[in-house]
Amino acid sequence: HVQLQESGPGLVRPSGTLSLTCAVSGGSISDSNWWTWVRQPPGKGLEWIGEIYHSGTTSYNPSLSSRLTISLDESLKHFSLKLTSVTAADTAVYYCVKTSGVPAAVLGDFWGQGALVTVSS
Amino acid sequence: DIEVTQSPSSLSASVGDRVTITCRASQRISTFLNWYQQKPGKAPKLLIYGASSLLSGVPARFSGSGSGTEFTLTISSLQPDDFATYHCQQSFSTPYTFGQGTKLEIK
Repeated sequence: HVQLQESGPGLVRPSGTLSLTCAVSGGSISDSNWWTWVRQPPGKGLEWIGEIYHSGTTSYNPSLSSRLTISLDESLKHFSLKLTSVTAADTAVYYCVKTSGVPAAVLGDFWGQGALVTVSS
Repeated sequence: DIEVTQSPSSLSASVGDRVTITCRASQRISTFLNWYQQKPGKAPKLLIYGASSLLSGVPARFSGSGSGTEFTLTISSLQPDDFATYHCQQSFSTPYTFGQGTKLEIK
């Protein structure tokens, strides 16, 4: 089955850019799935950030869209997140997720282990 | 955005108890509702999708129901491994919003 692994800096300076990559293994990144980012601030709930289809079509959370870019590299079998102008409010565990569509359902069936990113000077 | 209200935010129960967690969507979402279980320091795990479809391998003591705006997750007989935080998520329209989570603790 699919395995996902996040990687990237664990500390980002305020006003800087948060960059994370999710490596996909055990399945094809070109399959008909959406590749999604979700975050969870310490002690809080889950927030859907956005997603990308293998065609390059993206869907972003409007609350983040002005700062957000999600991209996908089929040859390298990974997808990436860039969030600019970060503040302490962006401190969170960031998860990459494979989102599948089946009749009458859209589901996040495989999740990475998560990467803690702290925004601090 | 579709708002998802989950209740209760926390729940104390004993092994063997039957528990129910509720999610209410701010607009009709058919059966586009998922349930996840999360343990401390771990990623969420999908339990139920499409409001009532149990993911393969998930124990049958978990069940989901509902459509439209009201949904429930029921655990028929709590086991020690079930003490965790549960999240619901609507997947009807993006952004796919989550409920606030329900922390299920041992009484």
